Amino acid sequence: GQQVMQIPQYQHVQEGEDFTTYCNSSTTLSNIQWYKQRPGGHPVFLIQLVKSGEVKKQKRLTFQFGEAKKNSSLHITATQTTDVGTYFCAGGKGANNLFFGTGTRLTVIP
Amino acid sequence: DAGVIQSPRHEVTEMGQEVTLRCKPISGHNSLFWYRQTMMRGLELLIYFNNNVPIDDSGMPEDRFSAKMPNASFSTLKIQPSEPRDSAVYFCASSFGPSSYEQYFGPGTRLTVT
Repeated sequence: GQQVMQIPQYQHVQEGEDFTTYCNSSTTLSNIQWYKQRPGGHPVFLIQLVKSGEVKKQKRLTFQFGEAKKNSSLHITATQTTDVGTYFCAGGKGANNLFFGTGTRLTVIP
Repeated sequence: DAGVIQSPRHEVTEMGQEVTLRCKPISGHNSLFWYRQTMMRGLELLIYFNNNVPIDDSGMPEDRFSAKMPNASFSTLKIQPSEPRDSAVYFCASSFGPSSYEQYFGPGTRLTVT
């Protein structure tokens, strides 16, 4: 079945270090979404990428969609303690299918 | 504007009891999703409604689970009878379009079945 895998599952970084999480699909995606879930909270939509090779930035966050539309990455520059949480990618396949990845839990050590 | 509203926020019940979770989507959104989140299985889609019609219920674990959406502003997820393995956080989400659109999640209901 359709699966969207994320690596790593966990990541501990020192405050100020960079962080990257990767999302991979076995099949071509129509779009990719990224969500952030703070501890004890609910997933919150961050961004959507649709075009092959697309790159979008939100302050210290950089999102990329692969050329083959099978993978994506989220990169955070100079992490802060406010970045802690679990980051999920969600791959879309057509209008009615969205598959959430397994998530990467980020811990930032002050 | 109010976001997605879920009730109750916490539910503790005994095995065998019926549990009903409620959700009010954001006004104007025409898609509604029920998810279950556990440490072991992550975030799982249970069922997806579009214009009050179930589009995909392949994630519903078994016959003990049922979901309804009688109108555009209300949905329920029922578990009968409940079992300890149903303990999880249940999220409702809504979107202005099909599942490929950005989804707005509610605060969740933390269910504990003893």
